Amino acid sequence: RKEVEQDPGPFNVPEGATVAFNCTYSNSASQSFFWYRQDCRKEPKLLMSVYSSGNEDGRFTAQLNRASQYISLLIRDSKLSDSATYLCVVNMGILTGGGNKLTFGTGTQLKVEL
Amino acid sequence: NAGVTQTPKFQVLKTGQSMTLQCAQDMNHNSMYWYRQDPGMGLRLIYYSASEGTTDKGEVPNGYNVSRLNKREFSLRLESAAPSQTSVYFCASSGWTGGTYEAFFGQGTRLTVV
Repeated sequence: RKEVEQDPGPFNVPEGATVAFNCTYSNSASQSFFWYRQDCRKEPKLLMSVYSSGNEDGRFTAQLNRASQYISLLIRDSKLSDSATYLCVVNMGILTGGGNKLTFGTGTQLKVEL
Repeated sequence: NAGVTQTPKFQVLKTGQSMTLQCAQDMNHNSMYWYRQDPGMGLRLIYYSASEGTTDKGEVPNGYNVSRLNKREFSLRLESAAPSQTSVYFCASSGWTGGTYEAFFGQGTRLTVV
């Protein structure tokens, strides 16, 4: 089983739609969780952190379910500019010597269409 | 704001050639990382450096070496390139920014080994 699993998609949705992605992780001791966005042929960038109580940033809502070991990302009122790959990232803990072991999912591709 | 600067952006090597990928960050982060990204595999950690003067192996270190030259710079060396090392390479640094733990990535190096 992969440490972090995502549906690769693509999710093709019309502009204005609501779309949700899920991600599951295998290590119950994982400490923190993130969604990163990656545009085609570009570097990943932090979209939002995911907190136990759930958090919202404009049209984006992230939820964490520790009991079931999954996190979700909800995008409301999709825009063409939301087209990208969304990476689920799990902080698996401290690496030997320090630093954090960030484990990345393979990403879910979203295409928003007119 | 430069963030993480990575060079070169593109490189074509012949099998057996060597090269060094350069990375520098100006955010005063202790931790720096090298990842490779392949289709369907997500980002995989090659090597990391928790602090100046220390380096450790990640998931896929074979065929690579690294040097943490100082706090700012972390280089990745391919001593004898192989076609299996064709990939997109990302350097990253991580730390706390405004209360959020975040990894910042360079723009990536697209390496082709023929």
